[in-house]
Amino acid sequence: RKEVEQDPGPFNVPEGATVAFNCTYSNSASQSFFWYRQDCRKEPKLLMSVYSSGNEDGRFTAQLNRASQYISLLIRDSKLSDSATYLCVVNMPSYDKVIFGPGTSLSVIP
Amino acid sequence: DTAVSQTPKYLVTQMGNDKSIKCEQNLGHDTMYWYKQDSKKFLKIMFSYNNKELIINETVPNRFSPKSPDKAHLNLHINSLELGDSAVYFCASSQWSGGSSYNEQFFGPGTRLTVL
Repeated sequence: RKEVEQDPGPFNVPEGATVAFNCTYSNSASQSFFWYRQDCRKEPKLLMSVYSSGNEDGRFTAQLNRASQYISLLIRDSKLSDSATYLCVVNMPSYDKVIFGPGTSLSVIP
Repeated sequence: DTAVSQTPKYLVTQMGNDKSIKCEQNLGHDTMYWYKQDSKKFLKIMFSYNNKELIINETVPNRFSPKSPDKAHLNLHINSLELGDSAVYFCASSQWSGGSSYNEQFFGPGTRLTVL
């Protein structure tokens, strides 16, 4: 099993739609979880951290399920500007590093 | 006011050449990283430095040599460039939190390396 796995997509959704991405991780000792966003030909930027209790930032909601070792990202009322690649990031405690997932590509269509 | 800067932004060179990429951060962070993003868009860590000390050295060919003259700078030198080295190289920085948890990483704009 790969350390961090994501559905690569692409997800093509109309404006206003709700879309959800999942990410699974292999190390049960992982404690830090993030969603980063990467626009085409740009650097990754933090979208949000993922907390045990789940957290929401405007139209974005992140959830953590430790028992099943996955995190999710829900985007409501999709905007054209949400089109990007969403990277799931998980820390590997034994190795003092984080692992970036392969990313899920989202295209929001007018 | 750039937080993490890299130079050059684009680098086109012939196989066999030696090249360097420079990175600087003005965020006051104590940890810096080099990542490689290949054509399949996978972002893989290469090196990590904490307070100028190497803490992560992934299985990267020894043609790649990082150097951190101080906490704010992490440079990457590549010897004998090969076609497979073509990729986007990102520098990043963060504040070390002890290893059991992680803080946000801030990335530079990337250096697009093309080896001909």
